[in-house]
Amino acid sequence: SAVISQKPSRDICQRGTSLTIQCQVDSQVTMMFWYRQQPGQSLTLIATANQGSEATYESGFVIDKFPISRPNLTFSTLTVSNMSPEDSSIYLCSVNRDTTDTQYFGPGTRLTVL
Amino acid sequence: GDSVTQMEGPVTLSEEAFLTINCTYTATGYPSLFWYVQYPGEGLQLLLKATKADDKGSNKGFEATYRKETTSFHLEKGSVQVSDSAVYFCALSGSNYQLIWGAGTKLIIKP
Repeated sequence: SAVISQKPSRDICQRGTSLTIQCQVDSQVTMMFWYRQQPGQSLTLIATANQGSEATYESGFVIDKFPISRPNLTFSTLTVSNMSPEDSSIYLCSVNRDTTDTQYFGPGTRLTVL
Repeated sequence: GDSVTQMEGPVTLSEEAFLTINCTYTATGYPSLFWYVQYPGEGLQLLLKATKADDKGSNKGFEATYRKETTSFHLEKGSVQVSDSAVYFCALSGSNYQLIWGAGTKLIIKP
């Protein structure tokens, strides 16, 4: 498995502002993913964070709204830009290692936008 | 495309009851199958997995068997506890190491 931390664990933000979420892994990993989980819902993949290149976004998510960085094999950030109340969700990062298909999750960031 | 269907919740049981949460899938090829659990206020934890037909994954008293003939991966536990109250997600491995998720099933165990 992997030990994954996320910062912040929760935040309350005003509409129109931006929040950057950090994901730190205790060892190098091949792939990192960012998910959104809206209240009472399942997980929706936002993007795959690629080390050294641009993230790969899923349909319905764009870089201008959710810019992602991955400067090395243990760290990634997701920014939620120009927030609205509809962005209130849990944001989760996950990783897999050694090209296996098992993903391990961070504890999540609980975002409330007023 | 690939998909996962879980039984709708919430599922409410008394402590020590037998649990089954149904999960069926549609997929091309031979995906790996997973159960994840999300306790209140926490992230997701891998509960168990199976990588090929007839494999049985098990952990913490939970079991699930990869049934190719019925395209199912039902989660079972013989005697549930209040601490098992959580949301359970079934998932399968898709392309590019992504996971395809079910809707989740909320489990409530009453003492």
